[in-house]
Amino acid sequence: AQSVTQLDSHVSVSEGTPVLLRCNYSSSYSPSLFWYVQHPNKGLQLLLKYTSAATLVKGINGFEAEFKKSETSFHLTKPSAHMSDAAEYFCVVSRSSGSARQLTFGSGTQLTVLP
Amino acid sequence: DAGITQSPRHKVTETGTPVTLRCHQTENHRYMYWYRQDPGHGLRLIHYSYGVKDTDKGEVSDGYSVSRSKTEDFLLTLESATSSQTSVYFCAISGTGQGNQPQHFGDGTRLSIL
Repeated sequence: AQSVTQLDSHVSVSEGTPVLLRCNYSSSYSPSLFWYVQHPNKGLQLLLKYTSAATLVKGINGFEAEFKKSETSFHLTKPSAHMSDAAEYFCVVSRSSGSARQLTFGSGTQLTVLP
Repeated sequence: DAGITQSPRHKVTETGTPVTLRCHQTENHRYMYWYRQDPGHGLRLIHYSYGVKDTDKGEVSDGYSVSRSKTEDFLLTLESATSSQTSVYFCAISGTGQGNQPQHFGDGTRLSIL
C-alpha cells in the first residue's frame, strides 16, 4: 500500500524568495518519487524524480528535492521564486519495482508568486 | 515536449449521450494511460494499455471503456455520460510500464456533462 500527502493546498511567496512545497509519503516498498508541475490548461510536466540513487535530486528550472527516508518526506525547494513558477505542483509515489499503473498522486499544491 | 495530442480539448454534452476522447502519440511508446483530474483528488487512473489490444482497468474504471487498435491511438469512451463524469481527462504515455519511469502527459480534455 502507498499514499502521498501534500501538506499545503496553497503556498504563497514573493518573487525572489525561497519556495518550499512539502510532501510526505507512505510506502511498504522501496519507492520512486516524482514532482510534476501543471500550468493552467496544460498537462503535467516532470520536474524531477527520485529512484533510489542520490537522495538530493536536481530538476528543471532550479528546483530540487531531498529524499529523507527517516522522515518519509520528499519536499520540493527552489532558492528564488520566479513569476513563471506560479502553477500547481503534484507529488507522486510509486513502487520502484512495481507497475506504472500503481502511481499515487497527491492532491496538489497551488503555488502563487507575488510581485 | 512528448508528442501527445488529445482531442477534443473541450467538450460539452448532455447526460446519457456517448462520448469518445482520443489520445494520439508520436513517440511509439508501448504504454498509454487515461486519468481523470478532479479538485482535491489529484489524478486517478481510469484505464491503461500495455500494447495494441491489451488494456486493463484502473482505480476508477466504472462507466468507461477503452480501445487501442494502433500503437499511436488510445480511445476513451463514456457509453452513457453522467454528470459525475464531468472532469478534466489526461492521457499519458511511457516507454516502459515500470513504476520508476516517469509518464508524459497530454494537455487534457475538459469535459462537461450537463
